[in-house]
Amino acid sequence: DQQVKQNSPSLSVQEGRISILNCDYTNSMFDYFLWYKKYPAEGPTFLISISSIKDKNEDGRFTVFLNKSAKHLSLHIVPSQPGDSAVYFCAATGNTPLVFGKGTRLSVIA
Amino acid sequence: GAGVSQTPSNKVTEKGKYVELRCDPISGHTALYWYRQSLGQGPEFLIYFQGTGAADDSGLPNDRFFAVRPEGSVSTLKIQRTERGDSAVYLCASRGANTEAFFGQGTRLTVV
Repeated sequence: DQQVKQNSPSLSVQEGRISILNCDYTNSMFDYFLWYKKYPAEGPTFLISISSIKDKNEDGRFTVFLNKSAKHLSLHIVPSQPGDSAVYFCAATGNTPLVFGKGTRLSVIA
Repeated sequence: GAGVSQTPSNKVTEKGKYVELRCDPISGHTALYWYRQSLGQGPEFLIYFQGTGAADDSGLPNDRFFAVRPEGSVSTLKIQRTERGDSAVYLCASRGANTEAFFGQGTRLTVV
């Protein structure tokens, strides 16, 4: 029973365009959501987070949107750069250990 | 070092053997987590320590898996009678009072 779902295993985007990565969750007790980025042979690196009291959080080129009624969040990267190519994991918590999605592999093509 | 350190980075072992995986968290971080990541999957929760005690071990798949954190710092994940299905990357993360979880680079375990 996947509580955090990333339904797109991969995404290809041209350099300079917007990348949109999506994530759905089922557990209504989750109140804090995070995105992690992972390069090969490295551990996941924290990217950006959002609390359930907000619907948007922005940090430079990265923006996370949260739609609580739809139990959906998305990560927008604009403009996308080749160095953004990595696997992106959505994670959620509700005073519990982080629950991760399966990840989306983003490829930014120059 | 300033980050979470995991040793060894790679471990190959024969089926049936015992292995220990070590995690050195960021100094001062009281919370420590072990996750396991199989190919094509996201990290799956195994066990969480708050200080020396296991606050949640509900993710351990069976009694072959055990973890300790005797002094509230370094943690060791122990796997007995390893099976080929245990092959995965084992990730450790630590978290301070008001920080996000920081992950180590992982230990890639291969059981042959």
